[in-house]
Amino acid sequence: QSALTQPASVSGSPGQSITISCTGTSSDVGGYNYVSWYQHHPGKAPKLMIYDVSNRPSGVSNRFSGSKSGNTASLTISGLQAEDEADYYCSSYTSSSTLVFGGGTKLTVL
Amino acid sequence: EVQLLESGGGSVQPGGSLRLSCAASGFTFSSYAMSWVRQAPGKGLEWVSAISGSDGSTHYADSVKGRFTISRDISKNTLYLQMNSLRAEDTAVYYCAKDRSGGWGALHFDYWGQGTLVTVSS
Repeated sequence: QSALTQPASVSGSPGQSITISCTGTSSDVGGYNYVSWYQHHPGKAPKLMIYDVSNRPSGVSNRFSGSKSGNTASLTISGLQAEDEADYYCSSYTSSSTLVFGGGTKLTVL
Repeated sequence: EVQLLESGGGSVQPGGSLRLSCAASGFTFSSYAMSWVRQAPGKGLEWVSAISGSDGSTHYADSVKGRFTISRDISKNTLYLQMNSLRAEDTAVYYCAKDRSGGWGALHFDYWGQGTLVTVSS
């Protein structure tokens, strides 16, 4: 199972919006509405930000939103804040009843 | 409060074995799928294995199939990962993670442990 494709890095200034893409295949992203997004600060446990493509867990800011079109899912962060600087990973359930992660995207807040 | 506490990491030679444990509390352990996820140094997250909360069925990434075994002891609220025939590429921080949904879900993790480091080197 190949990793989902994410850009290695994205950046934005405080207050701006950024979008991170996550491209898979019809056997994972395109085949299921089971895409999740995680925020990972180095040395800490990853945090679930979005599940089932576009749902936010309780306590996650509404500045974070998710969507999907075909084999590509996207995470949008609006009103960028310094604390958003982290690594972001997408994941998707697969047709093999397994899970595949994206390669990760480093978000830099300028 | 949900807590997941991993233990059992350490250094081992190639070809060796190690068993990781994850002590869970704060939720009905038997009802939720649990997974192991790892992160090699400087690399991204990689899902390793999962065990269903409904029927205890197990699932593995191709990279560990036949070498690693996931299991759980419901009486002890503990998840395990038995790792055999370890390779240098298995070096990573290993996290245990709780699925957000009961039974067998979409493998989205609402709680993670802090991780335990496994180093495979001669």
